[in-house]
Amino acid sequence: DQQVKQNSPSLSVQEGRISILNCDYTNSMFDYFLWYKKYPAEGPTFLISISSIKDKNEDGRFTVFLNKSAKHLSLHIVPSQPGDSAVYFCAASVAGANSKLTFGKGITLSVRP
Amino acid sequence: DGGITQSPKYLFRKEGQNVTLSCEQNLNHDAMYWYRQDPGQGLRLIYYSQIVNDFQKGDIAEGYSVSREKKESFPLTVTSAQKNPTAFYLCASTSFLGGSYEQYFGPGTRLTVT
Repeated sequence: DQQVKQNSPSLSVQEGRISILNCDYTNSMFDYFLWYKKYPAEGPTFLISISSIKDKNEDGRFTVFLNKSAKHLSLHIVPSQPGDSAVYFCAASVAGANSKLTFGKGITLSVRP
Repeated sequence: DGGITQSPKYLFRKEGQNVTLSCEQNLNHDAMYWYRQDPGQGLRLIYYSQIVNDFQKGDIAEGYSVSREKKESFPLTVTSAQKNPTAFYLCASTSFLGGSYEQYFGPGTRLTVT
């Protein structure tokens, strides 16, 4: 039973445009969400997170939106750059649950020059 | 420089052999985790440890074993009982201070078993 779903396996956008990466979850107990970026043969690096008490968190070009009623979050990258081309993982956690993270399968983002 | 180190980067083994993957962190983090990544799959949790001398099974623990004798170290042994050991293995750690759930990852070890 996949509790964190990234239904689109890939996304291609033009440099300078907006990239929107979507993530859905089924476990209503999740209350903390994170996005990681991963290059091939490297470990994931943390990008941005959001607590369930917020509906938006922004950090430079990256903004995460959370819609709790829809159990949906999205990562917006504006403007997209070729260096953003990577796999992006959505992850979720339940407060107090040993800091365990549940990951989605990832979305491969390609930013065309 | 603080961080997580995994060694080696690439590891090759014959089928039927046990192999141990190293993970060391100097971040003074409390908890450590092992994940595996397969093509088209997300990160799946193998084992995790919140404190020295204690660890719990994750979602796919069968065929793996771990130890946590020191706070800095969390080695993973891939045993011959693991049916599909070829994968990219990632170690991570986190601190419980500040209520953050952010995990820091090492560079990974690519294990190939033939």
